[in-house]
Amino acid sequence: DIVMTQSPLSLPVTPGEPASISCRSSQSLLHSNGYNYFEWYLQKPGQAPQLLIYLGSNRASGVPDRFIGSGSGTDFTLIINRVEAEDVGVYYCMQALETPNTFGPGTRVDLK
Amino acid sequence: QLQLQESGPGLVKPSETLSLTCTVSGGSMSSTNYYWGWIRQPPGKRLEWIGTVYYNGRTYYNPSLNSRITISIDTSKRQFSLKLKSVTAADTAVYYCARRVVRGAIGFDYWGQGTLVTASP
Repeated sequence: DIVMTQSPLSLPVTPGEPASISCRSSQSLLHSNGYNYFEWYLQKPGQAPQLLIYLGSNRASGVPDRFIGSGSGTDFTLIINRVEAEDVGVYYCMQALETPNTFGPGTRVDLK
Repeated sequence: QLQLQESGPGLVKPSETLSLTCTVSGGSMSSTNYYWGWIRQPPGKRLEWIGTVYYNGRTYYNPSLNSRITISIDTSKRQFSLKLKSVTAADTAVYYCARRVVRGAIGFDYWGQGTLVTASP
């Protein structure tokens, strides 16, 4: 299975400031079609996960443009420009290149 | 607006079978553009992909659970189901059903609220 790791695992943030989360996969997620099969999800407290980013850098429908996904191959980053209070929760990365799809351990983002 | 809702017993005895159903409303299940999946989250642990089913019944399972799981679909009832045999305490988790978009590889875009299943005597 492809192993996903994230850093940091905990991230205190200040509203209005940027935040960055990294994810690394144990093998490249770059498909021969040129797309990275990589996704970001946010699980807000008490809720199901919600899709933020797919194919490495595409924002899902309704996701604010302060969320920016980047990266290729094995290294990916999620940047939140100007964090808002509603952005707190656990952020998970997931690889969709192979089954079983596998998730990272999660990065807990909360307010300072 | 598409909605998914998990249902089933919240308590299962060890060695018995866990059975959950996901009911889909507000959209079609028969489209070739979607997979329907199960994902679980043990307490304090990361999300774990269990498996997915296509509208025609084709399934993809997590090899770590392959010998114990069955996922099926009934588009006429707008439902898909999970059966997990021989449960142990390690199967205690919140179980989510979700839709995965095929074209464009958009990801799991709709999720149920999740249901906690506890494996305990």
